[in-house]
Parts: sequence; structure tokens; C-alpha cells
Amino acid sequence: KAGVTQTPRYLIKTRGQQVTLSCSPISGHRSVSWYQQTPGQGLQFLFEYFSETQRNKGNFPGRFSGRQFSNSRSEMNVSTLELGDSALYLCASSSTSGRYNEQFFGPGTRLTVL
Amino acid sequence: DAKTTQPNSMESNEEEPVHLPCNHSTISGTDYIHWYRQLPSQGPEYVIHGLTSNVNNRMASLAIAEDRKSSTLILHRATLRDAAVYYCIEMNYGGSQGNLIFGKGTKLSVKP
Repeated sequence: KAGVTQTPRYLIKTRGQQVTLSCSPISGHRSVSWYQQTPGQGLQFLFEYFSETQRNKGNFPGRFSGRQFSNSRSEMNVSTLELGDSALYLCASSSTSGRYNEQFFGPGTRLTVL
Repeated sequence: DAKTTQPNSMESNEEEPVHLPCNHSTISGTDYIHWYRQLPSQGPEYVIHGLTSNVNNRMASLAIAEDRKSSTLILHRATLRDAAVYYCIEMNYGGSQGNLIFGKGTKLSVKP
């Protein structure tokens, strides 16, 4: 079974631009969660989608948004990029809402904002 | 904020057992303990989880204290590949929060 895939793996943007990251979960998984990892703040939860609905949201500004499609693929968007948005963005999938099962993480997208 | 506390770092010798401690003194009766690890340049991976009883799987064992205020992840024979940051996480199954709240974790170094 293929694992979680994220595209692109690396991205360089400039301040003020917007970016869209993509995540394809493991086949059959309906829950997708997004996390941001930085050296200073560590791993922080962004949001979770389950069956195209946002179930949970972390403490991030509205510039961070996401969506999930009917095939469970998910995208996250960051608008008006700031230098502090430079981070590794990780996506994780699980077969239910993430509460009861392990989450499988992708390799992440490394975003650099200049 | 993370509700667990772990040592910042630990060292082990290859092929020796490793005991990684975690304190979760405010844990509620419905919270599970999950362990994940993150190898260098990779996303986190699930290791093990448990509620009250000790748990074993092919990767590790989890020993949970009787009062559930602490737990220990046991790697029976450390290998160089086990060098990673290990995260101990409380997961509340009673509410709507299915997300993982990561703390700083313990960075495990394994010496040959």
C-alpha cells in the first residue's frame, strides 16, 4: 500500500505570495491532518479534515486554510506569506477521525519564504 | 500546549535496552498515551499506544504506571536506526480533538 504523499517536496516563495500544498492520503483513509514544524515551535497542529469537513482547527491565523476533496486528497493554502511561515509542513492520514487509530505521516513539504 | 514532560535527550549504546520516560500527571481516565518518533529528515511515525495495561508490539513495549501518571517506552535492543526524537502524547478519545499535540520530545542518540 502506498504511503502518504506530499507535493511539492520543496518550495521557495517570497513574502506576500500565496502557496498551495497537496497531500494524498493512504488509500481508504478518510482523515487528513496538517502540522507545521519549525525549530522554535516544534510540531504544531493546523487542522484536520474528515470526509471533506474540517473537524478540528489549531491556533493559527486565518491565512492558513485547507480543504479536502471527495477522494480524500487534501490541500492547504497559506496566503500573504510571512518569513515566519518558513517551515516543514507535514500531512498525516488515518482511517477514521484520528482519535482511535495511528496517524501515518508523509515526508513533508519544506517551505522557505524569502 | 503539550501535557506531557520528557527529558530533552538520552543516550544509549547499540544493542542495549533503552527506557524512555514520560510524565503525564494530569492525565484523565479516557486519555490514551501515544508514542511517535521522528527520524532525521522524515515525518513522525507511530510507535505504540496504550491506556492502562502494558502493551507490546514489534517495535517496542509500553509500560504504564498503575496510577497512569507516567509511562515508559522500552526499546529492547537499540539499533543505530532507532536514533530519533521520541514524542509521548496524550490523546483524548472522549472529545472531538483527534489531533496530536506534540511536546519537545526526547532526542535519543545511539552509540555503536
